[in-house]
Parts: sequence; C-alpha cells; structure tokens
Amino acid sequence: QKEVEQNSGPLSVPEGAIASLNCTYSDRGSQSFFWYRQYSGKSPELIMSIYSNGDKEDGRFTAQLNKASQYVSLLIRDSQPSDSATYLCAVLSGANNLFFGTGTRLTVIP
Amino acid sequence: ETGVTQSPTHLIKTRGQQVTLRCSSQSGHNTVSWYQQALGQGPQFIFQYYREEENGRGNFPPRFSGLQFPNYSSELNVNALELDDSALYLCASSPRDTRFYGYTFGSGTRLTVV
Repeated sequence: QKEVEQNSGPLSVPEGAIASLNCTYSDRGSQSFFWYRQYSGKSPELIMSIYSNGDKEDGRFTAQLNKASQYVSLLIRDSQPSDSATYLCAVLSGANNLFFGTGTRLTVIP
Repeated sequence: ETGVTQSPTHLIKTRGQQVTLRCSSQSGHNTVSWYQQALGQGPQFIFQYYREEENGRGNFPPRFSGLQFPNYSSELNVNALELDDSALYLCASSPRDTRFYGYTFGSGTRLTVV
C-alpha cells in the first residue's frame, strides 16, 4: 500500500483564522493529489486537486504541492465552523489507484 | 446526472457469513474502486475495476472479491466475515483518466459483523 501520512490532529483554530493541513507521501512517481473533506457519518467529498508544483487557489482554499519534498498542504482561510470536518489527503498512483491518509480532524471554534 | 449509489445503506451480519455490497457508478464513469473505512481511519483501498477486470488491489485477503458489470456497476463480496470487517464500505467511481478529476464517492454501506 502506498504511504500517505497526515497528522491526525485534532487541529483546533478560532473562527476567521487560517487552518493549515499537511500531508507527505512515499511514492515519488505520484502525479496527482487531492484533498477530500469528510463530515462525521458522511462520505468523502472532493474539495481540491493539484498536479503541478506550487499553489492552486479555489475560493478560501489553497493547495500547495512540493514534489521534491513529497509534500502537499491545504490552507483554509477565514475558517468557518462549517469547515469543521476530517480532511483526507489522497495520492494517485501510477496504476490509477487512489491512496488516502488517515485524515486530520479540524475543529473551528466560534 | 446521477451520482454514485450504494446498497444497502446498513447491514448486520454474523461472523462467518458472506455479504454482497452493490454500487452503481456515476454516469460517464467507467472505473470503480472500493474502500474500507474503519472508525477514525482513512479509507483503505481494497481494489479497483476497469472494463470488468481488476486493476489494482490493496492489502486485503482473497475473501474480499469483486465484480464489474458491462454497465460499470460493481459488487463487493466478502466471505467468512470476521468481526474486524465491521466498517463503512465506500464505492467510488471515476473516468478512466483520474488525474484531473479524482473519485466521486457513494454514501457508503455500514457493515456490522456480530
């Protein structure tokens, strides 16, 4: 199984702050990276994808990729209580299989 | 456009029994992957099906098997159920080129083995 490592948290941030979520992966040949959000009792929902080194922004979310360091991150700006969820990092292998980390639980405190 | 649908939503089985879970992929998606998610853990990759053939398998024993049908729907079969098989089973579909689109997940089947 491909290794995808995340800090399981929990991570708590006050409302309006920036939440920073990190992920490292072991397969240097991986090309595509995804962040999923999973609310308690629900299935994962895709929020960001990134394939090139650097930053990709979508609204309040920014994904960052550094392939040399095998590192992916997700920044959530102006965090809202509705952002409280588990965030899953996922890495696509060369065989087109998607591997997940254990997830980081985020709590945004009003 | 219909999403990924899974059935049943909940299931209780006895240790040693067999179970079949079903998944209909999203319209236009020809690849189906199955995951097992234990409480507090990330989804663990079981296997993937493309064109009715297995295309990748995670660290799961042979008693976990699957099928994909010509309409791209899929089944997950688990034989000789063990207590540790209790988990949320997720089906995800994708177009063949997943690089840019990721997977779309169904709502899952919660399996409890007693």
